[in-house]
Amino acid sequence: NAGVTQTPKFQVLKTGQSMTLQCAQDMNHEYMSWYRQDPGMGLRLIHYSVGAGITDQGEVPNGYNVSRSTTEDFPLRLLSAAPSQTSVYFCASGRTVNYGYTFGSGTRLTVV
Amino acid sequence: EDKVVQSPLSLVVHEGDTVTLNCSYEVTNFRSLLWYKQEKKAPTFLFMLTSSGIEKKSGRLSSILDKKELFSILNITATQTGDSAVYLCAVGGSQGNLIFGKGTKLSVKP
Repeated sequence: NAGVTQTPKFQVLKTGQSMTLQCAQDMNHEYMSWYRQDPGMGLRLIHYSVGAGITDQGEVPNGYNVSRSTTEDFPLRLLSAAPSQTSVYFCASGRTVNYGYTFGSGTRLTVV
Repeated sequence: EDKVVQSPLSLVVHEGDTVTLNCSYEVTNFRSLLWYKQEKKAPTFLFMLTSSGIEKKSGRLSSILDKKELFSILNITATQTGDSAVYLCAVGGSQGNLIFGKGTKLSVKP
């Protein structure tokens, strides 16, 4: 049972490049979300999904795009990378908010 | 706007001390409050609280929720160096989101 799998673990991008951070879970969880974590800022919600075909914006959605075509996968797309998007990104999934969420191991992204 | 505030932001103690971490919240349609521990990697789940006044315990860690005063505390007794971590408080609302506080960085010195 792999839980929540994020790839890649590390990535360096040049300003203006685009890329997709992958997230997959094998627990049949309906809820999936993306957070970014910056020093002193805690975890901030980027986008979330309550089921396949349904996505919504979180606190800091600008510059990011998501889709949820299957229950298992929830990729995060950076459309045109900016240095302000340098951060650690976590994907999380769960049955409902009352059961807690399982986090992936994170992707450390640097934009130069 | 929903918010979760943790205090203190950082704390340094010696092994054997008891610590209390605080979490206050203002969240529309509160569903649950969760505590996570984060060492160098992803947050790991500690407790989930939904009812006031019922203490959750796991070894030397315990937590309680006060839904009237909108806060929770996390207690760690007889601290060990392995307790050094960032402790995150998160509150779940009706949308299914988790809103996180900025965390409390605990350092336990031998």
